[in-house]
Amino acid sequence: GQNIDQPTEMTATEGAIVQINCTYQTSGFNGLFWYQQHAGEAPTFLSYNVLDGLEEKGRFSSFLSRSKGYSYLLLKELQMKDSASYLCAKGSGGYNKLIFGAGTRLAVHP
Amino acid sequence: SQTIHQWPATLVQPVGSPLSLECTVEGTSNPNLYWYRQAAGRGLQLLFYSVGIGQISSEVPQNLSASRPQDRQFILSSKKLLLSDSGFYLCAWSAGQDNSPLHFGNGTRLTVT
Repeated sequence: GQNIDQPTEMTATEGAIVQINCTYQTSGFNGLFWYQQHAGEAPTFLSYNVLDGLEEKGRFSSFLSRSKGYSYLLLKELQMKDSASYLCAKGSGGYNKLIFGAGTRLAVHP
Repeated sequence: SQTIHQWPATLVQPVGSPLSLECTVEGTSNPNLYWYRQAAGRGLQLLFYSVGIGQISSEVPQNLSASRPQDRQFILSSKKLLLSDSGFYLCAWSAGQDNSPLHFGNGTRLTVT
């Protein structure tokens, strides 16, 4: 199967750091992607990892361990506008097809 | 820069009526194109993808079909809508290279009544 698991909901405080975990089945792996989706809107691309390690992009970083089938998205200096769903997606089967998890709904409070 | 247009933004259709959703991409040639559906509170499900004109691959059996009559045009259709076809339909494109990210259109919220 293509099970991609991530927590359903998380809450955090403005200015804090939050880590959103994602686990996936390692068969057929072809990259791990993170997207942000605000309510009622389309997903927007945040980051991707194809090799093990940490990729940093401003306030957002993403980590990958291919052997463990594990990734996380790290959001620093949280802002209210970061309240959104964060989707973990695994590249699988070529042609840049992505299999998405159900998403983690993050609520940032003052 | 590349842009993707998808319309309409919202649609309410009766059961048994036909459907046509259109998506066009600008600023790139030979993109891979995708149709996804997102049911309420659930993840995105890949419906169709296309790597070239007239080339359509279906990921799940369903009441829908897709066509790519031009390089940067992707159409999702149905002859007779079912209640279960309700959802948020998203068109996306990617460059042909491996690990190129998908970029989504603004989506169509379809309600079948």
